[in-house]
Amino acid sequence: AQSVAQPEDQVNVAEGNPLTVKCTYSVSGNPYLFWYVQYPNRGLQFLLKYITGDNLVKGSYGFEAEFNKSQTSFHLKKPSALVSDSALYFCAVQGYNFNKFYFGSGTKLNVKP
Amino acid sequence: DVKVTQSSRYLVKRTGEKVFLECVQDMDHENMFWYRQDPGLGLRLIYFSYDVKMKEKGDIPEGYSVSREKKERFSLILESASTNQTSMYLCASSPPGTGGSGYTFGSGTRLTVV
Repeated sequence: AQSVAQPEDQVNVAEGNPLTVKCTYSVSGNPYLFWYVQYPNRGLQFLLKYITGDNLVKGSYGFEAEFNKSQTSFHLKKPSALVSDSALYFCAVQGYNFNKFYFGSGTKLNVKP
Repeated sequence: DVKVTQSSRYLVKRTGEKVFLECVQDMDHENMFWYRQDPGLGLRLIYFSYDVKMKEKGDIPEGYSVSREKKERFSLILESASTNQTSMYLCASSPPGTGGSGYTFGSGTRLTVV
């Protein structure tokens, strides 16, 4: 069975500090992993994805994510947080049925000035 | 710019009403999806469709049905709205076939059933 876990409901970080939003997954076969961001009252926007290759993936708005196969994790990171990064972040896995995504429960990121 | 458009941003309906949520995409995508989003539960798949007139149940189809008469349009129907269907509803589309193609989401419809 495919599943995604985001262990933190909320992450608080000061502006300028590095941030990490955690994600672990369970999937049959090789995973396709995604991060999406949602701003208030909006749909989800694509940030980045891991398909194959380099374990460090770079995406939009300065975000990056590190794929770790042994730990089945795909944590989202940014070296220096901005107040405008405050939003809801979702990790997702696209499993054996390529057309179906499984989403985590979401992590609310609060970046304080 | 490619788009998935949901016809309503906010809806308020009464218990027992039949409710239609419309979604249109202009990317010629074969796959379309309906999710509902609730705090702490993430996104849960209601129904999806791989082609015109084709539909498959997702994880929480009870109380819902769908219609896909044209490739670009995927409608979610609440046959008899109930208060526990108050939620944010998100439509998404994706191209067919190989993995790694992400979803494109609409802006969502926040439905309140009173």
